[in-house]
Amino acid sequence: QVQLQESGPGLVKPSGTLSLTCAVSGDSISNITWWTWVRQPPGKGLEWIGEIYHSGSTNYNPSLESRVTFSVDKSKNQFSLKLTSLTAADTAVYYCAQQYSSLLISWGQGKLVTVSS
Amino acid sequence: DIQMTQSPSSLSASVRDRVTITCRASQGIYNYLAWYQQKPGKVPKLLIYAASTLQSGVPSRFSGSGSGTDFTLTISSLQPEDVATYYCQKYNSAPRTFGQGTKVEIK
Repeated sequence: QVQLQESGPGLVKPSGTLSLTCAVSGDSISNITWWTWVRQPPGKGLEWIGEIYHSGSTNYNPSLESRVTFSVDKSKNQFSLKLTSLTAADTAVYYCAQQYSSLLISWGQGKLVTVSS
Repeated sequence: DIQMTQSPSSLSASVRDRVTITCRASQGIYNYLAWYQQKPGKVPKLLIYAASTLQSGVPSRFSGSGSGTDFTLTISSLQPEDVATYYCQKYNSAPRTFGQGTKVEIK
C-alpha cells in the first residue's frame, strides 16, 4: 500500500513562495500513474491544483497555472509543488495524492500552510 | 472548463432516512464521475467511481447514478457514521474539478 507524506514550512509570508514535497513510499514514483495536489482552505471545499507524471508532464488548474510549478525527483521518490505570489487566500491544507485510472486512491495526511506576516 | 455544481450545499436528516445529493456538470462527462466522502478532520476517501461503481469496502447503502451531465449520490438509510461532506469530481480529463461539497448532518 502506497503511503504519501507532505512536508514543508507551515507558515509563509504574503508575496512569498510556498514549497511542499510529497514523499512516496511503498511504490515507485516512476510507475504508470499521475501524482496530484489538492488543497482545502479552512472550512471550505476541495480544490484540484494539478497533476504530474514521472516524465515531468503536467496539468494545472487554469486558475493557478500562472503561479504553480510541479516537479518530480525520481532519485528521492518524491514530487514537489511550488506556488508563488502568495496571499491569504492560499492558506489551506495541501494534500498530495496518487491517481489510479484518474481516481484519487491514496492521499497524504495533508499539510496546513498559513500565509501570514 | 467544465464546472461541477452540487446541491444542496448542506442537509440535515434523521437516522435511517434516504438522502440524495445531486451533482451537475456544465458539459457532458459521460460517466467519468466520482464521489468522495470526507469525515470531519479526515482525509477524503473514494466512495464511488464511474458514476455508479462502489469502491471496495464501501457499504451497500451508498449508490450512485447518472451519466452525461446529471448525477446523484444516494444513501439509502443514513447512519451516524455517514456524517461527512461529500464531493463529486469529474475525472475524464484535466482539470479534474470537484463540486463545492455537500455537508450531511444528523437531525
